Amino acid sequence: DGGITQSPKYLFRKEGQNVTLSCEQNLNHDAMYWYRQDPGQGLRLIYYSQIVNDFQKGDIAEGYSVSREKKESFPLTVTSAQKNPTAFYLCASSRGTGVSNQPQHFGDGTRLSIL
Amino acid sequence: AQRVTQPEKLLSVFKGAPVELKCNYSYSGSPELFWYVQYSRQRLQLLLRHISRESIKGFTADLNKGETSFHLKKPFAQEEDSAMYYCALSVGPGNTGKLIFGQGTTLQVKP
Repeated sequence: DGGITQSPKYLFRKEGQNVTLSCEQNLNHDAMYWYRQDPGQGLRLIYYSQIVNDFQKGDIAEGYSVSREKKESFPLTVTSAQKNPTAFYLCASSRGTGVSNQPQHFGDGTRLSIL
Repeated sequence: AQRVTQPEKLLSVFKGAPVELKCNYSYSGSPELFWYVQYSRQRLQLLLRHISRESIKGFTADLNKGETSFHLKKPFAQEEDSAMYYCALSVGPGNTGKLIFGQGTTLQVKP
């Protein structure tokens, strides 16, 4: 089943610990995105990347970091600086930019909780 | 400010009744709008986009620039339409693909 794979499905973080959420896609998409979903708030953009080795901050980037060393991979690190990390994290990808914006394809998500 | 507002958290209708999920946006540029849907235990997926002017699963949405709205409509709701619906606005210079999502509306279709 092609698409976007996020792992793990559930993740627990201890205080002061950094954790990394994995996102892999086999759609050959150029652009990738990370969103945070909280109850009643919809999806908020954390970081996005339009091309390998390049990424930009979204609306709520503080306390998070990303890398884009390969086209198919866009891992998200939740650092200890993120004071309220408990949330559902969604990764998405799209064919990229151009004349018209392409629809985004989503993974199943990772639920992060604090121990 | 760029913003998408879905005023209803929950919309409950009976099977066969018309459905309208409201979406209003705030954006100074030329808007490109989408509706995404998440069925129970499934991934968030694209339902339709205004630029395509298509009807998917009986749903349609018309962009009204005067009222800055992109309401999702279906004349006769089915039980399988029960899901969470998100309206999204594409923003950013040079078509970055960035999306701003509304808070979402849960549609509950009762038998």
